Parts: sequence; structure tokens; C-alpha cells
Amino acid sequence: AQSVAQPEDQVNVAEGNPLTVKCTYSVSGNPYLFWYVQYPNRGLQFLLKYITGDNLVKGSYGFEAEFNKSQTSFHLKKPSALVSDSALYFCAVRDLDSSASKIIFGSGTRLSIRP
Amino acid sequence: EAGVTQSPTHLIKTRGQQATLRCSPISGHTSVYWYQQALGLGLQFLLWYDEGEERNRGNFPPRFSGRQFPNYSSELNVNALELEDSALYLCASIRERSTDTQYFGPGTRLTVL
Repeated sequence: AQSVAQPEDQVNVAEGNPLTVKCTYSVSGNPYLFWYVQYPNRGLQFLLKYITGDNLVKGSYGFEAEFNKSQTSFHLKKPSALVSDSALYFCAVRDLDSSASKIIFGSGTRLSIRP
Repeated sequence: EAGVTQSPTHLIKTRGQQATLRCSPISGHTSVYWYQQALGLGLQFLLWYDEGEERNRGNFPPRFSGRQFPNYSSELNVNALELEDSALYLCASIRERSTDTQYFGPGTRLTVL
């Protein structure tokens, strides 16, 4: 069985400071990991993904995520937060080694950036 | 290239009625996922269709059903609507058997009165 956890319901950061949104996962095989962002009353927008290769993945809007196999984590980071980054962020996982594996999402983390 | 489209944008029904939601995937994508998002919270996996077949379903009652057509578009049907079915229903498409990205539509906001 696969699962993904976002341990923080909300993260508050001052503008200009670095931000981290945490995600941990569990899969039987090799993970295929995603981050998405959702603005109010909108669908999800793709930020970045990890399949294989370099553990540091760069994505849209200056975001990056670090894959850590030993800690089964895929935390989302940004060096300097903007007020416009305030949104709901979702981590998702799929088991690459299972053809019947669906893509499942974490519960989401609300990121609030204060001016 | 057109993105994932969903219709209608908003749907208002009363308890006991049936709702039909539609989704058109990105051209070349053969797989469609449906998710329910209640109260701006997490996404709950509903259904996964690939090549016209149901591949997996989430922990939802049988009154949630759907199908995928030969052109890969999909329909989600919710029978005997209940108040707690009020949610944003999101459709996403992906090209299966690849490491492609899942792309989302804007969603259908279903309100049950």
C-alpha cells in the first residue's frame, strides 16, 4: 500500500524568509513524487516532480524539492518567500513499480506568507 | 494545446437527485482520475479510468460511479445526492505507462441543498 503524509496543516513564514513544506511517503517500490499548488477556487497546478536522478528537483515559481530516500521525504522549499506564494500545497506519490498504482495526495498544507 | 476541461463549472442540486459531471482530458492522455475535495481540504481519490476501464476506486459508496468513453473523456455520476456530497470535484488526466505529469481541470463545484 502507498501513502503520503503532510504533517503540518499550516505553515506561516515572513516574506523574504526561506520556507519548507514537509512531505513523507510510503511505497513498496520506487516512488514517483509530485508537488502541486492550489489557489482559492482553482484546480491544482503542477510545480515539480521527482522520478529519478538528482535528489534536488527545481520547479516552477522558484520552488525546489529535495528527495531523501533514507528518510522517505520530499520536502518543498523556497529560499525567499513571497506573499503571492500563499496557497494550499499538496504532495502526491505513485508507486512506479506497480502498474495498478494510483496517484494519491496528502492532506495539504496551507502556506501563509506575511508581509 | 488545450488543458483538461470540466463541465459544468457549478452545479446545484437537491438531496436525492442525481448529478452528472464531465471531463475532457488533454489530447493524447488516455487516463482520467476523479477526486473529491470538500471544504478546501485534501483530495480524496474517487475513481481512475484508463483505456475505457475502471482501474481503481477509492473508499466511496457505489452511488458514485462513472465511465470513460472511446475518446477518453469521462463522466462522473453521483446518485441519491446527500448534503455531504457538496464539494469541488476535480478531474485530472495523464498519459499512462509513462512518467508523465498528471494535469488537473478547474473543477466542478457541486452544491447539494
